[in-house]
Formats: sequence, structure tokens, C-alpha cells
Amino acid sequence: GNSVTQMEGPVTLSEEAFLTINCTYTATGYPSLFWYVQYPGEGLQLLLKATKADDKGSNKGFEATYRKETTSFHLEKGSVQVSDSAVYFCALSAESGSARQLTFGSGTQLTVLP
Amino acid sequence: NAGVTQTPKFQVLKTGQSMTLQCAQDMNHEYMSWYRQDPGMGLRLIHYSVGAGITDQGEVPNGYNVSRSTTEDFPLRLLSAAPSQTSVYFCASSWGHLYQETQYFGPGTRLLVL
Repeated sequence: GNSVTQMEGPVTLSEEAFLTINCTYTATGYPSLFWYVQYPGEGLQLLLKATKADDKGSNKGFEATYRKETTSFHLEKGSVQVSDSAVYFCALSAESGSARQLTFGSGTQLTVLP
Repeated sequence: NAGVTQTPKFQVLKTGQSMTLQCAQDMNHEYMSWYRQDPGMGLRLIHYSVGAGITDQGEVPNGYNVSRSTTEDFPLRLLSAAPSQTSVYFCASSWGHLYQETQYFGPGTRLLVL
């Protein structure tokens, strides 16, 4: 079946540090890949996505490249801010059984200190 | 637009009680789904619907029922609550059920079963 493995947290960084959160996946066919972010007390919201190999998704200074050869979709940001403190979820959308399903990783808690 | 709304925000139940978690969206989305979020496990799909009158099971459907009588509403029913159903529940919707669709999430309902 489909699965997503995320770098375990929590991750604590100082403001302006470089961020990488690793994500690898297993899926049949050609999945779409997503990063969702959950700020404290809120629901998930889309951060970025990529729908085919070698696509790069980007938003708010975050980037991730769909690497089919390594089945990875690592999230990066060059200079994090305190406001980036949140839980980050890697996810894939692919056919599973008779339906399309969104499969999530376990989430990575990021805390950015001033 | 209000987006995806969920009620209640927080609920305490005793084992064996029943209740309905409400979800509504005002974006005319075809696809709606329910997830539960448990620590260290990401989000898992409970049930989903690809349109009014059509529902299907996700990864963890046992103990839950759904119906979709209108495009806007997708309630989740707990028939006989158990402590294992203590979790945070998220409703989500999207335009369609293609692989690259972005999901829009509600703010969540935190449920405690004693």
C-alpha cells in the first residue's frame, strides 16, 4: 500500500537558520505530493504541492522537489522565522484500492526560537 | 466564504454515548472526507464522499457512520463511543477527487471519550 515516512521531530531552530524536513514515500503509479502545515489550534492548510516528477513546489519561501528516482519530497527553507513554528505534514495522493486517497506522514513539529 | 466549518470544537462523551460531528462547506465542493488525528500517526481517513448520496469507507471506518444528503453537509456519527475514539477529527473538502486536488480542512473537533 501507499505510505509516507517523515523525519521525526521535534525540530528546534534559531531564527534565520536553514530548515530541511525529510520526506520519502512508497506508492503505486504516479502520486501527487503535498506539504500541509498546521498552526497551533488550527486545521491543516496546503503549503505547496507537486504533481509530477521533477516539479518544484514553492510557497512562502518554502520549497520541495518531487524526486521520483529517490522517492522523496524534502521540504526546505533558507531562513526560518518564529512565525513558521507549526507542525508540517508530508502527504501523497494516489489510488488505493478502489479510490483516490490522501496518505499522511506522522508530522514534524517545528519550533523556531527568536 | 466561511470555507469548511465544524461543530462542536470540543466534546466530552461517556463510553456508549452517541453523537454527531457536524461539517459544512460553502465552496460547492464535490469531495468531502473525515480524518482522525492521533499523536505520532498523522491523519487517517475514516470515510469520504464523492458527491451527494455517495459515501465510502476509508482506512479506519469502524464505529463511524456518514451520510451525504446535500453537497454542503457531511456529518460523522459515532454510534456508541469508545475510549479508542478519543482523537481530533478533521473534515476536509475539495473540488473533485483527482490526485492533484488540494484539500481544504476545517478547524477540527477535539473529542474525549471517558
